[in-house]
Amino acid sequence: GAGVSQSPSNKVTEKGKDVELRCDPISGHTALYWYRQSLGQGLEFLIYFQGNSAPDKSGLPSDRFSAERTGGSVSTLTIQRTQQEDSAVYLCASSLGAGPNLKETQYFGPGTRLLVL
Amino acid sequence: GEDVEQSLFLSVREGDSSVINCTYTDSSSTYLYWYKQEPGAGLQLLTYIFSNMDMKQDQRLTVLLNKKDKHLSLRIADTQTGDSAIYFCAESNQGGKLIFGQGTELSVKP
Repeated sequence: GAGVSQSPSNKVTEKGKDVELRCDPISGHTALYWYRQSLGQGLEFLIYFQGNSAPDKSGLPSDRFSAERTGGSVSTLTIQRTQQEDSAVYLCASSLGAGPNLKETQYFGPGTRLLVL
Repeated sequence: GEDVEQSLFLSVREGDSSVINCTYTDSSSTYLYWYKQEPGAGLQLLTYIFSNMDMKQDQRLTVLLNKKDKHLSLRIADTQTGDSAIYFCAESNQGGKLIFGQGTELSVKP
């Protein structure tokens, strides 16, 4: 079956512009996670969704970052007024549910490489 | 707070065993994971271990868990050049989010 897909795979933008990143989770997975991978910070958690609600947004670095999920499926991560330090790979993962149990094993998409000039 | 530490680099010769080490701080983690990331690719789940186990073997991979010392290791037997990648150790917290180590870059020399 299809895995987690993300689009675009690469995005180059100018400082100050807004960007939207999309994640399509594995069908039937109710939990969806966003992470960021950057050279200086490693892999950082941003936000996760259980269904359409986001119980944990603690990783969002600033109020320029927001995410939504509709219909319990596709999620978009929006970065407003992008800054150069936002340049990173944004990874999405999905799991059957949320919580530290086996069925909650997270499967990752290929990521979106964002470069802010 | 939660923290996961790994050494950054490991270099081995083809055919040797590789051992990648990881320490973590959250004793309430139920599962601990190893992910592999090849250049330009996303994260691939390699294996996991339940916190009440000491060891898990899966083909060439052996995971050892010392819960008392909060130490996790991944052994790759008969390492091949195709095993060259970055290996991430991760623990999951009560909310399910993964806390990753910095990643260990494994270089396999022919």
